[in-house]
Amino acid sequence: GQNIDQPTEMTATEGAIVQINCTYQTSGFNGLFWYQQHAGEAPTFLSYNVLDGLEEKGRFSSFLSRSKGYSYLLLKELQMKDSASYLCAVTQAAGNKLTFGGGTRVLVKP
Amino acid sequence: ETGVTQSPTHLIKTRGQQVTLRCSSQSGHNTVSWYQQALGQGPQFIFQYYREEENGRGNFPPRFSGLQFPNYSSELNVNALELDDSALYLCASSPGTGGSYEQYFGPGTRLTVT
Repeated sequence: GQNIDQPTEMTATEGAIVQINCTYQTSGFNGLFWYQQHAGEAPTFLSYNVLDGLEEKGRFSSFLSRSKGYSYLLLKELQMKDSASYLCAVTQAAGNKLTFGGGTRVLVKP
Repeated sequence: ETGVTQSPTHLIKTRGQQVTLRCSSQSGHNTVSWYQQALGQGPQFIFQYYREEENGRGNFPPRFSGLQFPNYSSELNVNALELDDSALYLCASSPGTGGSYEQYFGPGTRLTVT
């Protein structure tokens, strides 16, 4: 089976840094995606990791350790508009069908 | 470039009825995946279509069925609706089925079953 775990909710202050962890247990792991989803809207792509290490993209960075079945999404210089759910999703074998975790709701306070 | 579109936006149905949801993929994309997202949860994979053929199915009963047309748009059909089918149904398109291909999501159809 597959198991993808991420915290349900996190709160942080505007301008701060927040790290959202995701652990997974899945057969035939291929890669890991992070998506952002504002309430009532479609998920939008943030990052994709297939090799171990850190991928940086502006204020957002994502890290993957394949041996540990672990990833994190780092959000720096938090802005109010970053209040959203952050979804960790894995792909298996050679395909791109996504298996999602439950999502982490991040609330940014002034 | 037109993004992924879905119709209708919202839908209310009665238990036992049937529903058809529609999705137009992004230009140049030949793969469409459907997901069900219950309130407060992550999306769950229903099935994927690649060049008009089903290319994988999640843990959903046969009353969930789909179709992809030659222009790569897609339909999701649900028969014998149950209360638990109330959810946001998301369609996502991609330029192929390879593992690195990002999926582009549509705005979703909110289905309420009463």
